[in-house]
Amino acid sequence: DVVMTQSPLSLPVTLGQPASISCRSSQSLVYSDGNTYLNWLHQRPGQSPRRLIYKVSNRDSGVPDRFSGSGSGTDFTLKISRVEAEDVGVYYCMQGSHWRTFGQGTKVEIK
Amino acid sequence: EVQLVESGGGFVKPGGSLRLSCAASGFTFTNAWMSWVRQGPGKGLEWVGRIISKTDGGTADYAAPVKGRFTISRDDSKNTLYLQMNSLKTEDTAVYYCATDEFDYWGQGTLVTVSS
Repeated sequence: DVVMTQSPLSLPVTLGQPASISCRSSQSLVYSDGNTYLNWLHQRPGQSPRRLIYKVSNRDSGVPDRFSGSGSGTDFTLKISRVEAEDVGVYYCMQGSHWRTFGQGTKVEIK
Repeated sequence: EVQLVESGGGFVKPGGSLRLSCAASGFTFTNAWMSWVRQGPGKGLEWVGRIISKTDGGTADYAAPVKGRFTISRDDSKNTLYLQMNSLKTEDTAVYYCATDEFDYWGQGTLVTVSS
């Protein structure tokens, strides 16, 4: 099974400052079709998860451009250029190249 | 508007069974691959399993912890996804979400509590 490892698991941030979350997979996420199926999801307390980023770097409709995804192979990063209050919650990376696996989640809170 | 609405959650004793449903609307369900994901109390997300479209074969695959106990099925005539859960264990206690297999749409979740 592919293991997804996120860091940090807790991320206190200052409003207006940047934030970055790392996600590492135990094997390459490049699928046989050449795509890399790495998504980033955001879950606010009491809500269902929402997909933010798909296939490493593609923002979903309505996702602010302060969110960006990057990476390749086994190493991926989610960046928030300037954190806003609505960005609090838990962020998950997940892979869809080898069945499906989620990272442990990174809890983002305002300092 | 895409909607996924789960139902069927509840309280069940260890060893018991429960069937969850997920009613889909706002997209072509027949062509969709669908997943179930669960979240234990205070825990992260865990993929349960997936069913592909009948056009692509209609087969289902499962995560190791539920394989042999859970069955995913679909009724395309009713735009509904199912999760049959047998031999339930206390560690199956979770909110169960249905989602499109691209994870761009999620339901609101239904709570399953397994306890004696």
